[in-house]
Amino acid sequence: DTGVSQNPRHKITKRGQNVTFRCDPISEHNRLYWYRQTLGQGPEFLTYFQNEAQLEKSRLLSDRFSAERPKGSFSTLEIQRTEQGDSAMYLCASRHQTATGNTIYFGEGSWLTVV
Amino acid sequence: DAKTTQPTSMDCAEGRAANLPCNHSTISGNEYVYWYRQIHSQGPQYIIHGLKNNETNEMASLIITEDRKSSTLILPHATLRDTAVYYCIVKNNNAGNMLTFGGGTRLMVKP
Repeated sequence: DTGVSQNPRHKITKRGQNVTFRCDPISEHNRLYWYRQTLGQGPEFLTYFQNEAQLEKSRLLSDRFSAERPKGSFSTLEIQRTEQGDSAMYLCASRHQTATGNTIYFGEGSWLTVV
Repeated sequence: DAKTTQPTSMDCAEGRAANLPCNHSTISGNEYVYWYRQIHSQGPQYIIHGLKNNETNEMASLIITEDRKSSTLILPHATLRDTAVYYCIVKNNNAGNMLTFGGGTRLMVKP
């Protein structure tokens, strides 16, 4: 257990429905990352936050995807009008930026199946 | 961040040392070498990282060549639970940089 908590761990939804995933990072970690991983592939970066500010978004993050981190603590990733291609594991990670401590720690992921 | 090259898969006998190589010939002076592993259906797990000196922790040892163009992750006594995909990632520790994952090495530890 790295201390990064993700919920729900598994979600099955019908195509066209909206889903939301929540990530609680390690306490006091100021950076929070979202990744997506499909079967047989390595994780792919989606977006990251420095405190509450969303600083970078991958081109993979289509306009159906939105991420927030309203108070600089937990974060949510919402997918609207889900498509079968959205089926993947969504990973959250956090990191405390210091002069020496730059290790990124991942949660266990949230599996999404769109049927 | 510099690109890395790893073998697609490797086997190792249980109890023996597993040596996982990684090439990063275009690494620049301020880039670190990170290793993560991912056991089936779980999130990536941090193992170790280094800049130029060899590093050791409770999980593994990291040997970086003097020219820093390659490195080896060593699991000294592999167990069946070490079966996983191992990712070697080169990363600049400046503000904002995320991890970029390649294909990794699928390590199979066999009894």
